[in-house]
Order: sequence, then C-alpha cells, then structure tokens
Amino acid sequence: DGGITQSPKYLFRKEGQNVTLSCEQNLNHDAMYWYRQDPGQGLRLIYYSQIVNDFQKGDIAEGYSVSREKKESFPLTVTSAQKNPTAFYLCASSTGQGASNEQFFGPGTRLTVL
Amino acid sequence: DAKTTQPNSMESNEEEPVHLPCNHSTISGTDYIHWYRQLPSQGPEYVIHGLTSNVNNRMASLAIAEDRKSSTLILHRATLRDAAVYYCILRDVWGAGGTSYGKLTFGQGTILTVHP
Repeated sequence: DGGITQSPKYLFRKEGQNVTLSCEQNLNHDAMYWYRQDPGQGLRLIYYSQIVNDFQKGDIAEGYSVSREKKESFPLTVTSAQKNPTAFYLCASSTGQGASNEQFFGPGTRLTVL
Repeated sequence: DAKTTQPNSMESNEEEPVHLPCNHSTISGTDYIHWYRQLPSQGPEYVIHGLTSNVNNRMASLAIAEDRKSSTLILHRATLRDAAVYYCILRDVWGAGGTSYGKLTFGQGTILTVHP
C-alpha cells in the first residue's frame, strides 16, 4: 500500500535530550513537510523539502533540524533548544506534477517531554 | 500569506446537507482554495480544492464566489464519520519550472459536530 508512515506513534523524552522522529513515504513524491500541532490549534510548518538534499525553514524552525538524504525519507530532530517540544508532529508529502496538488499526511507522532 | 476566516464550530444532523463557509478577502489571483479535514488524533485528509470554478468530487462540493473572496464546502449528506475539524486553506505556489510545491498554512478551522 502506498502512503506515509511515521514512527513511533507515541514518544516520551526527558528534558534536555534530542529526539528524532521518522517519516517515510513510498509515493515517489518530491516534496515533504513537517508540521507541528498544539492542542486546539491548526498546523504550523516547521521545515519543508522540495527535493533530495535541499530543505527550507518553515514558520517555526527554531530548535528543530532535518535532513533529506533520500527521496523517501525526511527525519525531524527535536533538539534540546526547542523550548516547548510537547506537541503532535505530522509529516506530509506532495507532488506538484499533474493535476493533483493535495498533500498526503502521515498518522503523526505525539511527543511528550517529561 | 493570505488569510482565511471560518466559524469556530457548526452543527448538523445526520443525512442533512452541511454548508461550511470560508472568507478569504485578500486572496490573490494565483491562490488555490484547498479544504482539508482532520479527525481526532489523526493527520489531516485532503477533501477538495479549486481555483475559480465550482468543483465536485466523491467527498464534497466546493462553491467559489465570483469575486473569489469567499467559498463554501458542501457535504451533501452528513454522516457521523464527517465529524471533524475542517480547514479552509489558501495555497501559495512556489517552485521552479511551473511545478507547484505550495505549502499549506492552517488556521484553526471549523469543528463540525454531526448529530445522529
């Protein structure tokens, strides 16, 4: 089945630790995105990548880092510099080619800092 | 980014039509109007999008005002599974060579409650 997978579904981290969230897609999409969602709020863009080995900061990139070494993978690292990391993290991918402009989202990772 | 305004919440009865409004008075000529929905503890799901003309698909219809400053998502017969947060989003178009990789800017959306 084609789609986006995120792991783990739930993640607990001690304050001061870095943690990496996984995002994999087998849709052959060029563009990938990371969003953060806080309770009762909409999604906010952290980072996005148009193509392998290229990525750009979104609206709230501070305290986060990403890499895009493979087309199908776009991991997000939440560093100790992120002041309020507890949130629901969503990965998405899309292609601009053809008539469809939709973004496909993964199931999300809920990160809790203890 | 151009902003959208949606009601915080709406209610509907099962099997009745639902009209979800969205205002986007500062929309630019190249902004697409996208609708996504999100069920609790899940990632958002694409519903429909359009530019100028009304659009229909298996999930919903999108009615776009002639001046494009507002739009309405229409669910023809609401079911309990349609209860979700609905987001109206204007999509920026960026990228080279005519390929759009537009990011999505989410607001708070409309919480739709469907009563049995």
